[in-house]
Amino acid sequence: DTAVSQTPKYLVTQMGNDKSIKCEQNLGHDTMYWYKQDSKKFLKIMFSYNNKELIINETVPNRFSPKSPDKAHLNLHINSLELGDSAVYFCASSPLTVNQPQHFGDGTRLSIL
Amino acid sequence: GENVEQHPSTLSVQEGDSAVIKCTYSDSASNYFPWYKQELGKRPQLIIDIRSNVGEKKDQRIAVTLNKTAKHFSLHITETQPEDSAVYFCAASRAAGNKLTFGGGTRVLVKP
Repeated sequence: DTAVSQTPKYLVTQMGNDKSIKCEQNLGHDTMYWYKQDSKKFLKIMFSYNNKELIINETVPNRFSPKSPDKAHLNLHINSLELGDSAVYFCASSPLTVNQPQHFGDGTRLSIL
Repeated sequence: GENVEQHPSTLSVQEGDSAVIKCTYSDSASNYFPWYKQELGKRPQLIIDIRSNVGEKKDQRIAVTLNKTAKHFSLHITETQPEDSAVYFCAASRAAGNKLTFGGGTRVLVKP
């Protein structure tokens, strides 16, 4: 019973295309996040949402637009994909209470041709 | 903003030996320090965490120590086993925003 699920698992597309990644959590958490893990395995936060409200936006290009229709879902839409966008994107969630563990999804491997 | 440095970047140990990974952080307001294990092609999974009101925490073969004055914390794995081979990440956050800043990761290889 997957707690944080992302789709798709793999995404291969051409430069310049627009794509979306979906994330859903069934843990009842109020906070959701998007992380980017590059080819050197470095993990960096991109966005976080509390109950559909944007809390953190880490100077990510505005080609990346997160959307949270409800507190259990956080989707990521990327416009005009570039080669440098190739990475693994992880969704995560945590309770609203501060300093609680974040639970990660299985990741979406995005490859730009 | 917060900066977390992690060392070493790779660590090779013989099965049964101990492994130690060290991290330093820059933001004195950080008060939560989790450690994640990531196996190849898998998601990061929390293995242990420590909060700033505690100096040490242990869970079976894993222990974490925190020195708030020096702004560093460490992960200790004893009696290592081949299944401990993975990339380990330390992280730090302050209460506001629950924003985790990760270290660069340590690739641990346990040789049988």
